[in-house]
Amino acid sequence: DIQMTQSPSSLSASVGDRVTITCRASQGIRNDLGWYQQKPGKAPKRLIYAASSLQSGVPSRFSGSGSGTEFTLTISSLQPEDFATYYCLQHNSYPWVFGQGTKVEIK
Amino acid sequence: QVQLVQSGAEVKKPGASVKVSCKASGYTFTSYYMHWVRQAPGQGLEWMGIINPSGGSTSYAQKFQGRVTMTRDTSTSTVYMELSSLRSEDTAVYYCARGYFDLWGRGTLVTVSS
Repeated sequence: DIQMTQSPSSLSASVGDRVTITCRASQGIRNDLGWYQQKPGKAPKRLIYAASSLQSGVPSRFSGSGSGTEFTLTISSLQPEDFATYYCLQHNSYPWVFGQGTKVEIK
Repeated sequence: QVQLVQSGAEVKKPGASVKVSCKASGYTFTSYYMHWVRQAPGQGLEWMGIINPSGGSTSYAQKFQGRVTMTRDTSTSTVYMELSSLRSEDTAVYYCARGYFDLWGRGTLVTVSS
């Protein structure tokens, strides 16, 4: 099975900061990766698909990059509504696997 | 509109089974695979498995093999997830999600308690 290692598990940041979250796959997954945002008590929401494609309706401050085994989600200028937990998901092969999550908190 | 509507919260005793439904609307039901994902309190997301609503084929995470059954009813555009031999560790919110997770249900809380 492919393992996904997401880091950091949490971070504190201020409004306006640039934030970077990383996911590393235990083997190559091409660009078969998505990024999801989850707020407390809500279902996750897709932000990025195919590693770098922005979901319709998602602000352009969110971006994804990477291919193979290393992937990054970047928030260029953190906004108050971005404080949430973020997950990556590999869908290259079964079982599909989520990263452990990154909680973005207010500094 | 395009949505997934899940059944309501359940409380079950250890050893029992639970069956959660997810009704799709606003799109062609058989055109998208459907997944089940769960989230224990305060924990991350855990992929449980997938069903092809068109043919009914399934693939389950090893962890749930033998305890989970995913089915579908094309006449009502509904998928089901049944989990048996429930234990306290199965207390979680269970989500259905379409395709590459572009559409999610709102979740169903399953509580396992004696």
